[in-house]
Amino acid sequence: DTGVSQNPRHKITKRGQNVTFRCDPISEHNRLYWYRQTLGQGPEFLTYFQNEAQLEKSRLLSDRFSAERPKGSFSTLEIQRTEQGDSAMYLCASSPATGIGYTFGSGTRLTVV
Amino acid sequence: TQLLEQSPQFLSIQEGENLTVYCNSSSVFSSLQWYRQEPGEGPVLLVTVVTGGEVKKLKRLTFQFGDARKDSSLHITAAQTGDTGLYLCAGPDSGAGSYQLTFGKGTKLSVIP
Repeated sequence: DTGVSQNPRHKITKRGQNVTFRCDPISEHNRLYWYRQTLGQGPEFLTYFQNEAQLEKSRLLSDRFSAERPKGSFSTLEIQRTEQGDSAMYLCASSPATGIGYTFGSGTRLTVV
Repeated sequence: TQLLEQSPQFLSIQEGENLTVYCNSSSVFSSLQWYRQEPGEGPVLLVTVVTGGEVKKLKRLTFQFGDARKDSSLHITAAQTGDTGLYLCAGPDSGAGSYQLTFGKGTKLSVIP
């Protein structure tokens, strides 16, 4: 297993465009998380899936953000009508049902111009 | 949401020196984790401490969990340039369930050769 994979690594988009990021977790992990990290800050929780069910969403996640995990495998995070304030590193992590340590992917760096 | 405060925010030391960084909260955590993050990459889990007073060693890194489970420290002996990075502490958010982590803002460590 190659760990948690995120694509693309970098994305530059114009304000108002929609973007979609993909995360492939470790195959044995049934929990998947999305976090957002801005410069000088630690990661902030966005949303959590257990298998295909989205069980928790942060209030940080506005209506322009949507996440899916069809069939409990890979996940996508879509941002509609991007704003400059959406510029950040978007991190995906996965963990097994037991244990509390996350394995993070390398992230997707989004720049909205 | 429980807050984690990390200090110092920045630390620059010479190779071979010792250092300690801190992670403090007014809240009790069931466990705390330490991650190291390099620029442009996701955080990598170093250790999880669970029991109050627990000490764990990882080569030249020593992690301690406070007796009251409100704080933790990371001590590095004889720092090397490869230790350079952002050190993040994180703990499960008791309000949201154990799967959601709250992160501190991190300590950015630079080890100068």
